[in-house]
Amino acid sequence: DQQVKQNSPSLSVQEGRISILNCDYTNSMFDYFLWYKKYPAEGPTFLISISSIKDKNEDGRFTVFLNKSAKHLSLHIVPSQPGDSAVYFCAASSYSGGGADGLTFGKGTHLIIQP
Amino acid sequence: GAVVSQHPSRVICKSGTSVKIECRSLDFQATTMFWYRQFPKQSLMLMATSNEGSKATYEQGVEKDKFLINHASLTLSTLTVTSAHPEDSSFYICSARDGASGTGANVLTFGAGSRLTVL
Repeated sequence: DQQVKQNSPSLSVQEGRISILNCDYTNSMFDYFLWYKKYPAEGPTFLISISSIKDKNEDGRFTVFLNKSAKHLSLHIVPSQPGDSAVYFCAASSYSGGGADGLTFGKGTHLIIQP
Repeated sequence: GAVVSQHPSRVICKSGTSVKIECRSLDFQATTMFWYRQFPKQSLMLMATSNEGSKATYEQGVEKDKFLINHASLTLSTLTVTSAHPEDSSFYICSARDGASGTGANVLTFGAGSRLTVL
């Protein structure tokens, strides 16, 4: 049973437009969420995170929104650039402030930025 | 920033042999490292949590005698796939948490991964 779901395997967006990647989760114990970006044959690299006490976190072109009641988060990239083409993983953790829990990942969304 | 080195990046072995994959934190100490496995078009699945100086904690369904994990120092964890079979062919990724990173304490740094192919 997938606790973190990314229902769109792929997404195609025109360069300069906004990319919106969605993620849903089912485990109410998750309280920390992260987005990772992954290029082929490389490990994921951290992009942005959000704690459950917030509903928005912004870092440059990247903004993550969290809707706890809907158990939904989204990653917005604006404006989208060709270098953003990659697989984006949503991940969740029940971070206990001192524990070191492994993350639960979604299956990823392949974002393709078209020139 | 924090860097995690994983070696080898690619390995091909014969069925029945054992393969060791190393994961090193290069510029920080990692008391905990994590091993993930990724099948094509699937999510990264946590296999085990490796704690320095103690036994690893395995996720349900992961054979501890098959996937031996050793975390001998604060900068090195190894995953040994014993008596490898073709179904063990996969992409293995390690990650480490820099406990001294303050607000980023829950941010993992990943290695580049190791592609294992068992013939």
